[in-house]
Amino acid sequence: AQKVTQAQTEISVVEKEDVTLDCVYETRDTTYYLFWYKQPPSGELVFLIRRNSFDEQNEISGRYSWNFQKSTSSFNFTITASQVVDSAVYFCALSELDSNYQLIWGAGTKLIIKP
Amino acid sequence: GAVVSQHPSWVICKSGTSVKIECRSLDFQATTMFWYRQFPKQSLMLMATSNEGSKATYEQGVEKDKFLINHASLTLSTLTVTSAHPEDSSFYICSAPNRDRSSYNSPLHFGNGTRLTVT
Repeated sequence: AQKVTQAQTEISVVEKEDVTLDCVYETRDTTYYLFWYKQPPSGELVFLIRRNSFDEQNEISGRYSWNFQKSTSSFNFTITASQVVDSAVYFCALSELDSNYQLIWGAGTKLIIKP
Repeated sequence: GAVVSQHPSWVICKSGTSVKIECRSLDFQATTMFWYRQFPKQSLMLMATSNEGSKATYEQGVEKDKFLINHASLTLSTLTVTSAHPEDSSFYICSAPNRDRSSYNSPLHFGNGTRLTVT
């Protein structure tokens, strides 16, 4: 069965701190895709990253970085030097190869960045 | 770039009335549209998957007579909440996959959502 677990319901840090959001997934497929989305209070979903299962290289994009570890089925997301504008709910999601990108969503982590 | 335009962004309606939500794909053909529902502080829940020209596939527990989905063209899918009740109040989001090479890294396009409040 496929499943995405985001164990952290809510995280609160002070601005400029680094913060890591955890994501653990389960799938029987050998080929799959992992995603992270940001949902600010306005509600729209903002795409952050897509990672293919055969590409375990870590990704860095500005203050954002992702650590993909197939051995532990984890795809963690780190924000360095956090800013108030990073406050949002962050979702991790899984899509299996033949699913036409039908996503299996984690429960989301609400990130609060305090000034 | 490819976009899914969702309207209305918010709607308030009286109990017993029907509400139609539209999602249009701009600059690409959406052969498939996913319809999600999101309750406050919860994750997205897939309600149904619509495919152009055929009947929608509903997830378990979703009433197909209550949530009517139409996908009559490659650029338009609609969700109609019939005889709405306060418990239908929620945030509804549509999403369409785009298999064009230009969307390889971001193959899913989401509407901005519709906040439905039934009074």
